[in-house]
Amino acid sequence: DTAVSQTPKYLVTQMGNDKSIKCEQNLGHDTMYWYKQDSKKFLKIMFSYNNKELIINETVPNRFSPKSPDKAHLNLHINSLELGDSAVYFCASSQGLEEKLFFGSGTQLSVL
Amino acid sequence: AQSVSQHNHHVILSEAASLELGCNYSYGGTVNLFWYVQYPGQHLQLLLKYFSGDPLVKGIKGFEAEFIKSKFSFNLRKPSVQWSDTAEYFCAAFLMDTGKLIFGQGTTLQVKP
Repeated sequence: DTAVSQTPKYLVTQMGNDKSIKCEQNLGHDTMYWYKQDSKKFLKIMFSYNNKELIINETVPNRFSPKSPDKAHLNLHINSLELGDSAVYFCASSQGLEEKLFFGSGTQLSVL
Repeated sequence: AQSVSQHNHHVILSEAASLELGCNYSYGGTVNLFWYVQYPGQHLQLLLKYFSGDPLVKGIKGFEAEFIKSKFSFNLRKPSVQWSDTAEYFCAAFLMDTGKLIFGQGTTLQVKP
C-alpha cells in the first residue's frame, strides 16, 4: 500500500563501486524526483522527470544517471561511488511540479 | 541566489508551550509555499501549503502558517505543542518561473513531556 517505495533502505558500499536505487510510485503521478539530503539535513533536488522525460537536472556529477522506464518508476544509478556521495537519497512524486510531494522513506547510502 | 532559510535549527519546548518556526525565502517571483514534517522513523509528509488567497493557512494537527509577502516569510505556528510533535520540520518554496522546489535546512523540534 506504500505510495512511494524505494529500495534498498540502507546501502553500504566501497568507493569506486556502481550501485542503483529503485523507486516506484502507485499514485498515478506524472512527476517523479530524486532529492539528496546531506549531513546537515539540506534537501536538494537532483532530478525531476515528467512522464518519463527529464525536466530538471541540477548540477549533479554525470556519475549519477536517472532512468525512468515508465512514469511509475524512477531509478537512480551511481557510477564510481565517492565518499562524498554518502547521504540519504529520497525519491518523491507529485501530480504536477507545483503540487505537494509524496516522499519515499529514503535510502541511506554510506560509501566507505 | 534563490534560497529558503529556516532560522531555528534546533528548538526544545515543553508540552503546551507555543511554537513558531521561522522561514524566509529569497525570490522575487511567484511562489507556492510548503511546510513538510518528518516524524521519527517516518517519511516526509505535507503539513500545510499556501498557493494563493487567504495568507493564513491551516494544516494538520493544529498547525498554521502565515504568508507575509512583504517579509518573504512563511512562519509555522502552533499554540500548544504536544510530545508527539517532536519531528524535523522543513519549509519549502516552489519557484513558479523555474519549476524548482527549494527546501530550507530543516528545524529539529524536541518537545519534552
